[in-house]
Amino acid sequence: DTGVSQDPRHKITKRGQNVTFRCDPISEHNRLYWYRQTLGQGPEFLTYFQNEAQLEKSRLLSDRFSAERPKGSFSTLEIQRTEQGDSAMYLCASSPLGGRGRETQYFGPGTRLLVL
Amino acid sequence: GDSVTQMEGPVTLSEEAFLTINCTYTATGYPSLFWYVQYPGEGLQLLLKATKADDKGSNKGFEATYRKETTSFHLEKGSVQVSDSAVYFCALSDPSGNTPLVFGKGTRLSVIA
Repeated sequence: DTGVSQDPRHKITKRGQNVTFRCDPISEHNRLYWYRQTLGQGPEFLTYFQNEAQLEKSRLLSDRFSAERPKGSFSTLEIQRTEQGDSAMYLCASSPLGGRGRETQYFGPGTRLLVL
Repeated sequence: GDSVTQMEGPVTLSEEAFLTINCTYTATGYPSLFWYVQYPGEGLQLLLKATKADDKGSNKGFEATYRKETTSFHLEKGSVQVSDSAVYFCALSDPSGNTPLVFGKGTRLSVIA
């Protein structure tokens, strides 16, 4: 297994456009998390899934942000009507549901978004 | 709510110097504690962790000890290398894994030859 992967690695878009990012977790991991990281800050939690169920979404930044994990495997994060303030690194992480190591999250390389 | 406080950076050291990056936390119960490292343009890599009081996490010459009495998890390395230049994040989570990670703001380390 090659770890958590994210696509694309970089995205440049114009204000008002919609963007979608994909995350593929480590294959045996049931939990999947999305974070946002702005310059000079630590990652900020957005939402997370256990299998296909979205267990926490109150921290999504606005109703322009949505996430799905339809089959409990990969996940997508969509931002509608992007704004310049959405420019950031979007990080995905996964962890196992139970057993030893369930508290540890493994991160992907991130998708860097620039909104012009 | 839970929080993590790290020493402000940037930290600049000469190669082979001793490194300490301070981290303290506020949490209910007994969180799991982590150090993650981020190299330029990349995501976060787990560096080490500790899941209970007095545990010492270690990896690649880095160490940190979970100190419940001082609510601290300071990162140390005896002799840094240029390749250690990166941003280091201290983080905590509930040991059940049911909560997201809470991160500090990060400390940028630059090691010069």
